[in-house]
Amino acid sequence: DGGITQSPKYLFRKEGQNVTLSCEQNLNHDAMYWYRQDPGQGLRLIYYSQIVNDFQKGDIAEGYSVSREKKESFPLTVTSAQKNPTAFYLCASSVSGTGTYEQYFGPGTRLTVT
Amino acid sequence: GDSVTQMEGPVTLSEEAFLTINCTYTATGYPSLFWYVQYPGEGLQLLLKATKADDKGSNKGFEATYRKETTSFHLEKGSVQVSDSAVYFCALSHSSGGGADGLTFGKGTHLIIQP
Repeated sequence: DGGITQSPKYLFRKEGQNVTLSCEQNLNHDAMYWYRQDPGQGLRLIYYSQIVNDFQKGDIAEGYSVSREKKESFPLTVTSAQKNPTAFYLCASSVSGTGTYEQYFGPGTRLTVT
Repeated sequence: GDSVTQMEGPVTLSEEAFLTINCTYTATGYPSLFWYVQYPGEGLQLLLKATKADDKGSNKGFEATYRKETTSFHLEKGSVQVSDSAVYFCALSHSSGGGADGLTFGKGTHLIIQP
């Protein structure tokens, strides 16, 4: 079955450590996205990529980094510069192009930093 | 910039009641509009969408009509079930490049249906 996988489901880290969240899709989508979800805040866009080897900052990119070396994969690194890293992180993908296409979401990774 | 405002929750209803969740937006150009649903501990699932004014999106008994004159996209269902309990998000596509540029979300409305 086609879909988006994120691993792990729960992740715990100590303050000051970088951590990388995995996102893989087998939907053959060109575009991929990372969102952050906080209670009562909705989802906010961190980074997105419309094609391999290219990505753009979203609304809250500070303290995060990404890479897009393969079409199927879009890992997110939460760096020690991110002041409030504890959150629920959601990866999504969509068809790219000039039309408007819905985004498909993974199950999410809940990151806790203490 | 673009923004989406939706009614605060939680919204608590009895089974078989009529549901309305309000959503209004601010955007330049002509965005596409979406409703997503999130069940506890899971990612988001697309519920319905509308891509131009006066379009009606519908799915699983839910409906929403794209009203450009009132910049609204209210979600409705005639008879809710306990299984509809979830968090509902209204969202729009950034008008500069369609869906591939990312979505702007409202804060979500937690719906609780009591038997």
